[in-house]
Amino acid sequence: DTVLTQSPALAVSLGQRVTISCRASISVSTYMHWYQQKSGQQPKLLIYSASNLESGVPSRFSGSGSGTDFTLTIDPVEADDIANYYCQQSNELPRTFGGGTKLELK
Amino acid sequence: EVQLVESGGGLVQPGASLKLSCVASGFTFSDYWMSWVRQTPGKTMEWIGDIKYDGSYTNYAPSLKNRFTISRDNAKSTLYLQMSNVRSEDTATYYCIRCILRITGWVMDAWGQGASVTVSS
Repeated sequence: DTVLTQSPALAVSLGQRVTISCRASISVSTYMHWYQQKSGQQPKLLIYSASNLESGVPSRFSGSGSGTDFTLTIDPVEADDIANYYCQQSNELPRTFGGGTKLELK
Repeated sequence: EVQLVESGGGLVQPGASLKLSCVASGFTFSDYWMSWVRQTPGKTMEWIGDIKYDGSYTNYAPSLKNRFTISRDNAKSTLYLQMSNVRSEDTATYYCIRCILRITGWVMDAWGQGASVTVSS
């Protein structure tokens, strides 16, 4: 299975630029997607195919990367962005998720 | 508006069976692959499997394929997850998900609110 590794948590200040990383155990090309999950809610698609912004998602979110290293960037961070963020690969079966990165306020 | 509404969760004893349902609305259900994903109390996300739009093909996580079965009834716009011989480690929130092919790869673009399953005696 493809293992996706994320840092467990990041502390940020409002208005700051933040990057959340995801590393894959093998190359997944650009078959990488990002989801946001706010407390008590279901996950929501933010970025698909590494760098494409899902419709309706604010432009302060962006994604980059290919192969094994990917990043989700939020610039600037707003209070509404405090959530957990998950990467997920669809390069191969089984589909796998990263462990999630919890974005916290400093 | 796309809506996915899961039901059938609850408290179940180890070794029992449970069937979750997911009613879809706001889109043509029979045009889409559908998936189930679960999230443990520790927030770990695990893909369970998916099913082709016509129900003719399924994929499963290898660790679950012997106990979990995904099916669908397109006439009822309903997705199902049959769970058998449940264990404590199956305690999780189970999400019904619409899948769509975007540029590169299958993407989970709509999620239900989740059904909570607790396995305990």
